[in-house]
Amino acid sequence: AQSVSQHNHHVILSEAASLELGCNYSYGGTVNLFWYVQYPGQHLQLLLKYFSGDPLVKGIKGFEAEFIKSKFSFNLRKPSVQWSDTAEYFCAVNMGGSQGNLIFGKGTKLSVKP
Amino acid sequence: ETGVTQSPTHLIKTRGQQVTLRCSSQSGHNTVSWYQQALGQGPQFIFQYYREEENGRGNFPPRFSGLQFPNYSSELNVNALELDDSALYLCASSQKSPNTGELFFGEGSRLTVL
Repeated sequence: AQSVSQHNHHVILSEAASLELGCNYSYGGTVNLFWYVQYPGQHLQLLLKYFSGDPLVKGIKGFEAEFIKSKFSFNLRKPSVQWSDTAEYFCAVNMGGSQGNLIFGKGTKLSVKP
Repeated sequence: ETGVTQSPTHLIKTRGQQVTLRCSSQSGHNTVSWYQQALGQGPQFIFQYYREEENGRGNFPPRFSGLQFPNYSSELNVNALELDDSALYLCASSQKSPNTGELFFGEGSRLTVL
């Protein structure tokens, strides 16, 4: 079955530490890839996306992600986290379904200590 | 703010009852998707509506049904409620064309089934 796996359930970092959140998906066809973020008390919002082209994509707030097709991965990175990055991060993949049909991972909760 | 509004924000029902959840899409968006997010899980795609017709469905039974109205607002109806239907129900709007791939989420309706 098509699925999205996020490796870390809860990550705790100190400010200025580097971040990498893993995401793998199981589907051999063309995919569109997304990272969504949910800040405390707020709605889900798009952080970045990949459709085609350069596999290294940059999003808002200094986040970036790299699509590695051979590894079926789309890991999220940030060189230096801030306390305001505390949130839950969801990887999502459209695996050829309708536009709104995203398969989400279970999410990774990031806590950044000031 | 996304401009996607959902109502009610919280509700409690008993097993066997029926519920209707409502969503107003963001201005300019003609497509609405519904997701179910159980506690500790990522959102799971229920279905999508475009031009008042269902345009893609996830792995949910027929007792989950929906409507889209001419103003692009939408309803999610769940009949014969079960305890496992307790979850946060998210509505997301988007535009069919051009397809940016981005979904704009509301804050959700939290349903508790007793």
